[in-house]
Amino acid sequence: GAGVSQSPRYKVAKRGQDVALRCDPISGHVSLFWYQQALGQGPEFLTYFQNEAQLDKSGLPSDRFFAERPEGSVSTLKIQRTQQEDSAVYLCASSLDRTGNTIYFGEGSWLTVV
Amino acid sequence: AQRVTQPEKLLSVFKGAPVELKCNYSYSGSPELFWYVQYSRQRLQLLLRHISRESIKGFTADLNKGETSFHLKKPFAQEEDSAMYYCALSGYMNSGYSTLTFGKGTMLLVSP
Repeated sequence: GAGVSQSPRYKVAKRGQDVALRCDPISGHVSLFWYQQALGQGPEFLTYFQNEAQLDKSGLPSDRFFAERPEGSVSTLKIQRTQQEDSAVYLCASSLDRTGNTIYFGEGSWLTVV
Repeated sequence: AQRVTQPEKLLSVFKGAPVELKCNYSYSGSPELFWYVQYSRQRLQLLLRHISRESIKGFTADLNKGETSFHLKKPFAQEEDSAMYYCALSGYMNSGYSTLTFGKGTMLLVSP
C-alpha cells in the first residue's frame, strides 16, 4: 500500500488483558514513531526506531508498554495488563530519513479498555 | 524541554471571515515548526512547515522568534477548512534524529 497501515483499527480490551498493535510503515522508510493520543489531546511521543534499533523509548508511560521492530520494517506496540488510562488512539508514523521532518501518519489504532 | 501551546480548543467563524489559529512554543534551540491538519475521518497530515515559507490551501504561518509564536492564518475561511489543527515543533536529539512535540489542537469550524 501507499501509506502507513495500522491494525487493528479498533480494539476493545478488558482491563488486565494484553494487546498488540501493528504498524506497517511505508516501504523503505528508515524512521518509525509511535504516538499516543488521548481524547482531547494532541499526539504524545512514545518511542522511536531507526531501522531495527529502538533509539528512544523515553515516552513510554510504564514498563507495561513495549515496542519492537525486529527486521526494520513492521513494528508492534504491546501493552501488557491494560488499564483504563491506556484508552487512546495509538498513532504510528514513518519517515524516509532520520530527521523525521516529513513524516507520514497511519490512521491509528483506537484502543478502549473497559 | 520543548512545549507547544495552542490556547484555543475551538475556533468558530463564518465562511469568508479571516482565521488565525494561535500557536506558541518553548524550545531552547533553533526550532522547526509545523502545522498538521486532521479532517474528519482522515489521518493526520502535514499542512505546512516554516522552513518552506509556503502557502498551502491559502494558509500561511510566520515564525516569530521574538514572540515564540507560529500562528496559522488564512484571509478568507472556507467550509472545507473545518478540521482539527495541530501545531508541532521538531526537536533534534543527540543521536541526530528528531521527534515532534504537538500542541493539544484547535478545532476550526467554518459555518456557511
